[in-house]
Amino acid sequence: DQQVKQNSPSLSVQEGRISILNCDYTNSMFDYFLWYKKYPAEGPTFLISISSIKDKNEDGRFTVFLNKSAKHLSLHIVPSQPGDSAVYFCAASENQGGKLIFGQGTELSVKP
Amino acid sequence: EAQVTQNPRYLITVTGKKLTVTCSQNMNHEYMSWYRQDPGLGLRQIYYSMNVEVTDKGDVPEGYKVSRKEKRNFPLILESPSPNQTSLYFCASRPHGGFETQYFGPGTRLLVL
Repeated sequence: DQQVKQNSPSLSVQEGRISILNCDYTNSMFDYFLWYKKYPAEGPTFLISISSIKDKNEDGRFTVFLNKSAKHLSLHIVPSQPGDSAVYFCAASENQGGKLIFGQGTELSVKP
Repeated sequence: EAQVTQNPRYLITVTGKKLTVTCSQNMNHEYMSWYRQDPGLGLRQIYYSMNVEVTDKGDVPEGYKVSRKEKRNFPLILESPSPNQTSLYFCASRPHGGFETQYFGPGTRLLVL
């Protein structure tokens, strides 16, 4: 049973517009959430994170929102750039222990 | 340069032939993990290690073994590979603390015939 779900396998956005990637989770014990970005033929790289004590975290063009009651988080990229085209994974952990649960990934395509 | 290296990068093998994928990190990280990436399933954690001689199961440990005899190395062993273990494998390491500083290796693409 998938504890972290990204229900949109792909998303296409025009350059300069906002990209919104969504992620849902089922385990209420998760207290730390991360987004990773992955280019083809490379390993994932960390993008942004949020603790369950917050509902928003911002880093430049990237903002992550957490809605604990809905068990939902989203990643906003504003403005989107062609270099943002990649697969984005959300991930969750309990107490930042050894286990990390990933979603299925969303492939973002930003068109010039 | 801080890095996680994996070998081999590509491997084709046959069912039942034991194989080992090596992973090494040069950052003195305590934590190391193995993940597999499959279409529609994303990344799934196979095993992780919090330090030398300390390993634990991730989400999909069946059919895999690991060992952590030295801090820098974390090999993944497939004793009797099967076609359902055909996948893209990533090793990762991080220091004690958050996943923000988790470094991933470049991946090993495995095909089991």
